[in-house]
Amino acid sequence: GAVVSQHPSWVICKSGTSVKIECRSLDFQATTMFWYRQFPKQSLMLMATSNEGSKATYEQGVEKDKFLINHASLTLSTLTVTSAHPEDSSFYICSARDVGRETQYFGPGTRLLVL
Amino acid sequence: DAKTTQPPSMDCAEGRAANLPCNHSTISGNEYVYWYRQIHSQGPQYIIHGLKNNETNEMASLIITEDRKSSTLILPHATLRDTAVYYCIVRVGTGANNLFFGTGTRLTVIP
Repeated sequence: GAVVSQHPSWVICKSGTSVKIECRSLDFQATTMFWYRQFPKQSLMLMATSNEGSKATYEQGVEKDKFLINHASLTLSTLTVTSAHPEDSSFYICSARDVGRETQYFGPGTRLLVL
Repeated sequence: DAKTTQPPSMDCAEGRAANLPCNHSTISGNEYVYWYRQIHSQGPQYIIHGLKNNETNEMASLIITEDRKSSTLILPHATLRDTAVYYCIVRVGTGANNLFFGTGTRLTVIP
């Protein structure tokens, strides 16, 4: 139980294009999902908190117009990197809060490479 | 959230117990201690959490000192698949809110 999936697992895109990453909780409902970013040899950095049915809360320094987050259902949140640039290349990881267990579970991550 | 301090790296022989320390001297009464690990190029994996009592599950044991200023994660019989970065995180409430990751301890299990 408590499985979180992400799609795609990796993506390569050209600079200026937009990329959508999906995060799904497969066997539990998640009222809250989180999006993290991890650069090589660094720790995870929280980007935003996504609550089902409401606007996401972004951490300081994260551009909300560049990283669009939608949490339309209790099992799905999406992160769209708009007008991606090479500096957006990173490992993007989502997590979902299992309310029943009051624990946070992470997806396998999506590796984004912007050329 | 209270800050945590962990050694940057540790080695452990395969089959032996791995004891990973964490200092959280500024922890407050309502903050839990959480442990996650991240195997290379994967998302973090939840291991265990506790408030003040020692905890054990199928993966590990968590020993919290009486003053709660430090804790130790114990992997009783380390295997090569336990090689990962281990993060100790202190968080208010039951930890289901956003987690702030430090630099963690890179554990290498040696054959």
